[in-house]
Amino acid sequence: DQQVKQNSPSLSVQEGRISILNCDYTNSMFDYFLWYKKYPAEGPTFLISISSIKDKNEDGRFTVFLNKSAKHLSLHIVPSQPGDSAVYFCAAKLGSQGNLIFGKGTKLSVKP
Amino acid sequence: GAVVSQHPSWVICKSGTSVKIECRSLDFQATTMFWYRQFPKQSLMLMATSNEGSKATYEQGVEKDKFLINHASLTLSTLTVTSAHPEDSSFYICSARDQDRVNQPQHFGDGTRLSIL
Repeated sequence: DQQVKQNSPSLSVQEGRISILNCDYTNSMFDYFLWYKKYPAEGPTFLISISSIKDKNEDGRFTVFLNKSAKHLSLHIVPSQPGDSAVYFCAAKLGSQGNLIFGKGTKLSVKP
Repeated sequence: GAVVSQHPSWVICKSGTSVKIECRSLDFQATTMFWYRQFPKQSLMLMATSNEGSKATYEQGVEKDKFLINHASLTLSTLTVTSAHPEDSSFYICSARDQDRVNQPQHFGDGTRLSIL
């Protein structure tokens, strides 16, 4: 049973437009959420995170929104750039020492 | 920033061979390292948590005699796939947590693609 779900395996967006990647989770005890970006044949790179006490965190072009009641978070990238093309993994954990639970990832393609 | 180095990046070997993968934290000390496995179009699945100076903790369904983990120092953990078979072919990724910054995100290596013929 997947605790972290990314239901869209792929997303295609035009350069300059907004990319919205979605993630749902089932465990209401998760208190920290992260987004990682992964290029082929490389390890994931940390992008942005959010604590469960917040509902929004922004870092440059990247914003993560958390809706605890819906157990849903999303990553917004605006404006999207071709270099953003990668697989994006949503991850959740329980406590500072908790293990990361990953979704299956969403492959984002930003077209020039 | 913090860097985790993983070696080798790609290995091809015959069935029955044992393969060792190294994971090093280059500019921080990691009492805890993690080993993940990723099949194509699948999530990163945690295999085991490597603890410096003690036995690794394996996730359910992961054979500890098949996947030997050694974490002998604060900067090095190794994963040995013993008597590898084609079904062990996968992408293996390690991750490390900075022991002085436990609230910071884990840092990942670039992964090792293992292909067993």
